[in-house]
Amino acid sequence: GENVEQHPSTLSVQEGDSAVIKCTYSDSASNYFPWYKQELGKGPQLIIDIRSNVGEKKDQRIAVTLNKTAKHFSLHITETQPEDSAVYFCAARTNNNDMRFGAGTRLTVKP
Amino acid sequence: DTGVSQDPRHKITKRGQNVTFRCDPISEHNRLYWYRQTLGQGPEFLTYFQNEAQLEKSRLLSDRFSAERPKGSFSTLEIQRTEQGDSAMYLCASSFIGATSPLHFGNGTRLTVT
Repeated sequence: GENVEQHPSTLSVQEGDSAVIKCTYSDSASNYFPWYKQELGKGPQLIIDIRSNVGEKKDQRIAVTLNKTAKHFSLHITETQPEDSAVYFCAARTNNNDMRFGAGTRLTVKP
Repeated sequence: DTGVSQDPRHKITKRGQNVTFRCDPISEHNRLYWYRQTLGQGPEFLTYFQNEAQLEKSRLLSDRFSAERPKGSFSTLEIQRTEQGDSAMYLCASSFIGATSPLHFGNGTRLTVT
């Protein structure tokens, strides 16, 4: 089955700097890659997703890139703000509907 | 609020007791998923329904776990004879049909088994 690895496990940046989180996946049949943000006491919230026929997608300060050949994808947050502090999860999904998550990255944005 | 709702938010139980959690998905969504999340880990897939049919179960779902979605709307997850290792956050999510349809999660039920 699919295996998703995510790094770093923790990331601390200064407000206004960029943050990058990277994930790799094992199943070349995976075709959907969402990113979730989870705040304390809440469930994961979808922030951006990308499908395998697209190499890059951007939504304001958030962007995701996908390299299908290397089987890795990344989340980029620019101009970070304290409210971006949370745990971020990547995930990968194949057509069998089993979505596998990475172990998460705890992002801290220092004011 | 038309998001996914879960009840209760917290449950403390003694080892050996049975517990049941409820999930109300987004009403237009055909699919409903249960995930388990332990501290410092990402969500782990347990099972999912398409309408009222349970289509897939993870090997993580032992015989003590049972999930139902009797009318294709809300779902329940029951854990019998709870063990301390069952302590976790149980997350419910729903989506439309389709491998590229995003999952929308509820805020989970945190189970503590003492």
